Amino acid sequence: EPEVTQTPSHQVTQMGQEVILRCVPISNHLYFYWYRQILGQKVEFLVSFYNNEISEKSEIFDDQFSVERPDGSNFTLKIRSTKLEDSAMYFCANRGGNPNEKLFFGSGTQLSVL
Amino acid sequence: AQKITQTQPGMFVQEKEAVTLDCTYDTSDQSYGLFWYKQPSSGEMIFLIYQGSYDEQNATEGRYSLNFQKARKSANLVISASQLGDSAMYFCAMREGRAGGSYIPTFGSGTSLIVHP
Repeated sequence: EPEVTQTPSHQVTQMGQEVILRCVPISNHLYFYWYRQILGQKVEFLVSFYNNEISEKSEIFDDQFSVERPDGSNFTLKIRSTKLEDSAMYFCANRGGNPNEKLFFGSGTQLSVL
Repeated sequence: AQKITQTQPGMFVQEKEAVTLDCTYDTSDQSYGLFWYKQPSSGEMIFLIYQGSYDEQNATEGRYSLNFQKARKSANLVISASQLGDSAMYFCAMREGRAGGSYIPTFGSGTSLIVHP
């Protein structure tokens, strides 16, 4: 089965530092999402990306967050000035054009802000 | 308002027994889809089963089946013949029809299932 790849698997950073999380999606997929999961809690939607632009974002996705597709294929989620409460698992997910299709999740990046 | 409600924070089941994990949802859309994902302790999200709102039959995938009761807005996951490897968090998710077709799946708070030998 095709895979979504996320790097790094773990990231430790100091509060106030910038972090960049990376995702290599499945090549023929059209819809891309970032979710986060604070330890043991629900999976929360951050942002969706379609046709090379953000299609929707949640209240969590404030000005400190940005998402880019720098080379037309891979994705990055950037957090400009990390806060303690940004500590979470961040998942990249994508799917094809059919809305009934499952999301393919990456294995996640565990971000720890100290 | 919560779109997806999972009222069982934790469930226990004996190995080889069946277990039902509850999920209720709230939507005014006619077209929507319901998903179940498993998250073992290793953290990855594993797709289990999908049910579309227009599907007449309840979805089944191996030992997993979805008890879809549209009038009650419930989509419970049934795991038959539980195995020790089924111990994990289980998340119910729903995608609604959205303008622009983004169809963003939103997740419930999850149910932790522990299978006892």
